[in-house]
Amino acid sequence: GEDVEQSLFLSVREGDSSVINCTYTDSSSTYLYWYKQEPGAGLQLLTYIFSNMDMKQDQRLTVLLNKKDKHLSLRIADTQTGDSAIYFCAESMISDKLIFGTGTRLQVFP
Amino acid sequence: GAVVSQHPSWVICKSGTSVKIECRSLDFQATTMFWYRQFPKQSLMLMATSNEGSKATYEQGVEKDKFLINHASLTLSTLTVTSAHPEDSSFYICSAGDSNNEQFFGPGTRLTVL
Repeated sequence: GEDVEQSLFLSVREGDSSVINCTYTDSSSTYLYWYKQEPGAGLQLLTYIFSNMDMKQDQRLTVLLNKKDKHLSLRIADTQTGDSAIYFCAESMISDKLIFGTGTRLQVFP
Repeated sequence: GAVVSQHPSWVICKSGTSVKIECRSLDFQATTMFWYRQFPKQSLMLMATSNEGSKATYEQGVEKDKFLINHASLTLSTLTVTSAHPEDSSFYICSAGDSNNEQFFGPGTRLTVL
């Protein structure tokens, strides 16, 4: 079946690193994505990783993929208050259908 | 980068009326567009896949006669919520795939049915 799970809430201090985790069940996914949703806005694509990669770094963002355990993580270095939002992971199926996780609310406090 | 727009961004309507939401890919052609629905504090749920020039493919549990999808051109897909009721109030988001199969999301449309 198709199921993507995330923890619901994460709170970090400004300047610390945040790690948001995601697990998925379908091993046939092609791409895995991280999206950011700020209050009242649509999704913004942050980064993505092809399913045959282990790691991708993009400025403050680092994506790690453990395909054996079907585990995906997003690390945000030097987290800022502007990073407070809901983060969704999603897997892309061969049909291009996107399966989203439940979203993790990241709260950054000073 | 590629831009997808939605119109309107927010609509309030009376129960029983129909509402049309437009999704446009502004600078690329999209043979496939997707319509999602987001309930408060929940993840996005795929409603249907909209293919240009053909009938949409609906996900299980989504009423095709209630959520009418038309994909008349390579840059426009519309979602019409017919005979809307308060339980249809939600945030509707579309996405469009480019030639590299990268998906771009619209800003969403907030529907409130009174």
